[in-house]
Amino acid sequence: EVQLVESGGGLVQPGRSLRLSCAASGFTFDDYAMHWVRQAPGKGLEWVSGISWNSGSKGYADSVKGRFTISRDNAKNSLYLQMNSLRAEDTAFYYCAKDHAELEPPYCMDVWGKGTTVTVSS
Amino acid sequence: EIVMTQSPATLSVSPGERATLSCRASESVSINLAWYQQKPGLAPRLLIYGTSTRATGIPARFSGSGSGTEFTLTISSLQSEDFALYYCQQYNNWPRTFGPGTKLDL
Repeated sequence: EVQLVESGGGLVQPGRSLRLSCAASGFTFDDYAMHWVRQAPGKGLEWVSGISWNSGSKGYADSVKGRFTISRDNAKNSLYLQMNSLRAEDTAFYYCAKDHAELEPPYCMDVWGKGTTVTVSS
Repeated sequence: EIVMTQSPATLSVSPGERATLSCRASESVSINLAWYQQKPGLAPRLLIYGTSTRATGIPARFSGSGSGTEFTLTISSLQSEDFALYYCQQYNNWPRTFGPGTKLDL
């Protein structure tokens, strides 16, 4: 069974950092691009970042560019999101998601984790 | 970035009826468009990618069409489990972007 499990969320003060992790299982992790998508309380989906299967291609939403860094460790079947200089508007539920296509850049997401909550507040 | 808009914001329909949801891109995304369904408290589910290809396990009553800047998701005969939020997403350009969603209401 394909599974994605996020961790690392929590309450953090504005300006501080947090690192999210996503543990993948049930598929050949290093064949697929991966994404982070967030959803603020009561709001719609916002694509945050994506990384290709070989880390050769990465992209970020304008709202997080320069503050967030996506990375992956294919040996550990893990995806990460390093979030620096956090703001109140980064408060959201963060989903890790698998891309639908093998050996392609990040396109769209066919498997999603259950998510982890990030709250930025003093 | 490419801005995605969806209409209507809410669509009130009855079971058995046909639902047509629209998605528009601020510039051409070719056919690089996906649709997702989200129910309260759950992660989104991929319905359609490449504008018209159904994802694995998605019933045939869901269909997608369009190209360039105008796209449509059609649900041919609504079932009770179809009442949810629907989002479109473009993946032609960086950054990938979602529309604001259409709520399918009973």
